[in-house]
Amino acid sequence: DAKTTQPTSMDCAEGRAANLPCNHSTISGNEYVYWYRQIHSQGPQYIIHGLKNNETNEMASLIITEDRKSSTLILPHATLRDTAVYYCIVRDPMEYGNKLVFGAGTILRVKS
Amino acid sequence: EAGVTQSPTHLIKTRGQQATLRCSPISGHTSVYWYQQALGLGLQFLLWYDEGEERNRGNFPPRFSGRQFPNYSSELNVNALELEDSALYLCASSLRRMTGEEKLFFGSGTQLSVL
Repeated sequence: DAKTTQPTSMDCAEGRAANLPCNHSTISGNEYVYWYRQIHSQGPQYIIHGLKNNETNEMASLIITEDRKSSTLILPHATLRDTAVYYCIVRDPMEYGNKLVFGAGTILRVKS
Repeated sequence: EAGVTQSPTHLIKTRGQQATLRCSPISGHTSVYWYQQALGLGLQFLLWYDEGEERNRGNFPPRFSGRQFPNYSSELNVNALELEDSALYLCASSLRRMTGEEKLFFGSGTQLSVL
């Protein structure tokens, strides 16, 4: 079962920052937070991951709260092409046989 | 660099037949994952192969099986097809790092339709 909760859907204006929240209140010390997105009818795409420090790459920023019970994915300047389902996943990389468990995700709609 | 490739793109079968889906991972990746995504539903984990061995299996009946070849490519077989097997089947590959962190790279999937 997915260990995260996310809003079902969100809207964002094109050019504005999209902030996608994720709650993972039962996260354990070894579990990383991963974000993927899936554009319609395509395979999911890796976005970013982190353990406890904030992370930034060319696609997005990941802000993890100090208690690690929640995080926010930030797309700094959303475009229409960012419209997708965004999945927040927690995973312990050292748990043998572990796999990514995808929940329902958040449908992000970027509007012009 | 080529990404994860899956074939065929589309596959149409009738109930009771067998389907074979193929996946070529990114060069250097040793792990291959299979997921099923039925229309309007989320991704359901099917199988994980690493270094030629099945490492984990999702909650699917035995008629879903697969294997990983020495070149790390993989095959998913679905026997005795049922109508509810109609779905997008996604393959992903990864390179497991010493820390256990890994990024999964997904292919575009095989759309299986069972009539």
